Amino acid sequence: RKEVEQDPGPFNVPEGATVAFNCTYSNSASQSFFWYRQDCRKEPKLLMSVYSSGNEDGRFTAQLNRASQYISLLIRDSKLSDSATYLCVVTPMGNQFYFGTGTSLTVIP
Amino acid sequence: ETGVTQTPRHLVMGMTNKKSLKCEQHLGHNAMYWYKQSAKKPLELMFVYNFKEQTENNSVPSRFSPECPNSSHLFLHLHTLQPEDSALYLCASSPAAGGFQETQYFGPGTRLLVL
Repeated sequence: RKEVEQDPGPFNVPEGATVAFNCTYSNSASQSFFWYRQDCRKEPKLLMSVYSSGNEDGRFTAQLNRASQYISLLIRDSKLSDSATYLCVVTPMGNQFYFGTGTSLTVIP
Repeated sequence: ETGVTQTPRHLVMGMTNKKSLKCEQHLGHNAMYWYKQSAKKPLELMFVYNFKEQTENNSVPSRFSPECPNSSHLFLHLHTLQPEDSALYLCASSPAAGGFQETQYFGPGTRLLVL
């Protein structure tokens, strides 16, 4: 079983729409969780960390569900500039970082 | 824009060549990482250095040889590579490996093509 699994999409949504991505992880002892964003032919950049209590940053909301072992990312009022690949990252104990394959989002005018 | 730089940005090499990738971070971090990103695959962590000591080697073939002379610099020495090693090689840094909610900052990557 893969450490981290994501629906690769693609998700094609109109501007202004709300879109949500999920990511499941296999190691119940995982400690830290993140969402990264990667634009085409660019490096990944941190979008937000995911905390147990959930966290919000403007139009972006991240949630962690430890019981079901998944994290989610909600994007409200989608902008054209939100088009990118969204990577889920999970870190168990130690120095390992496990990335998902990414979910591709295209926001359409 | 980024505090992590990588050179070269693009590299084409033959299977018998020897080349090195360089990474430098200007963020004062103590941990550095090498990742491989192939098409349609998740990023694969290759090596981790924490305070200049290698702490992870994820079953990477010996044709990839990392070197970390100090906390700001990381090299990946390449020799007798195979065509399937063609990929984007990303360097990252973080304040220190193994901590809670360690955020990694990535360099722009070296796009490698092995002929």
